[in-house]
Amino acid sequence: EAGVTQSPTHLIKTRGQQATLRCSPISGHTSVYWYQQALGLGLQFLLWYDEGEERNRGNFPPRFSGRQFPNYSSELNVNALELEDSALYLCASSRMGLAGGEQFFGPGTRLTVL
Amino acid sequence: QKEVEQNSGPLSVPEGAIASLNCTYSDRVSQSFFWYRQYSGKSPELIMSIYSNGDKEDGRFTAQLNKASQYVSLLIRDSQPSDSATYLCAATGNQFYFGTGTSLTVIP
Repeated sequence: EAGVTQSPTHLIKTRGQQATLRCSPISGHTSVYWYQQALGLGLQFLLWYDEGEERNRGNFPPRFSGRQFPNYSSELNVNALELEDSALYLCASSRMGLAGGEQFFGPGTRLTVL
Repeated sequence: QKEVEQNSGPLSVPEGAIASLNCTYSDRVSQSFFWYRQYSGKSPELIMSIYSNGDKEDGRFTAQLNKASQYVSLLIRDSQPSDSATYLCAATGNQFYFGTGTSLTVIP
């Protein structure tokens, strides 16, 4: 069974640009979660999608947004990039949303903002 | 109080010893608890999930859940240098909550 995949692996942008990150969940998983992990820091919850709907979002400004497609894949958009947006962005998927479902992570996208 | 709290460490143990990692949680989380391992520069990897009071063993790993005291722990027996990583405790509430992680170093 294929795991969670993310693309691109690395992304370099300049301040003020927009970044789009993509995630494909494990087959059969309907929930997708996005996290930001800045260097040396913990996981910060960004967004949770389930069955195409945004279920919850973390304490991030509106320029962080995303969506989930009918095939349950997801993309994260970050507008008006700032230097502090440089981080590892992790996507995870689960089978049952918050009903006890284990989350499995993709390899991440390393975003660097210059 | 944060939903999930961990001692950031670092924790150092000699090879072959038992490593004990602890996590406490608030009333805002529910009954599902997880331990993840994260190597530097890599994504978290699920080690154990525990849903009911008591112990759950999987190979060298044992997760312990004590609902009365609101803590969950992870024991690693016969610690190996390859166990050196950051261990994340997680729990579900109205979202998935992660602790900040405990850094473990196993000294050969």
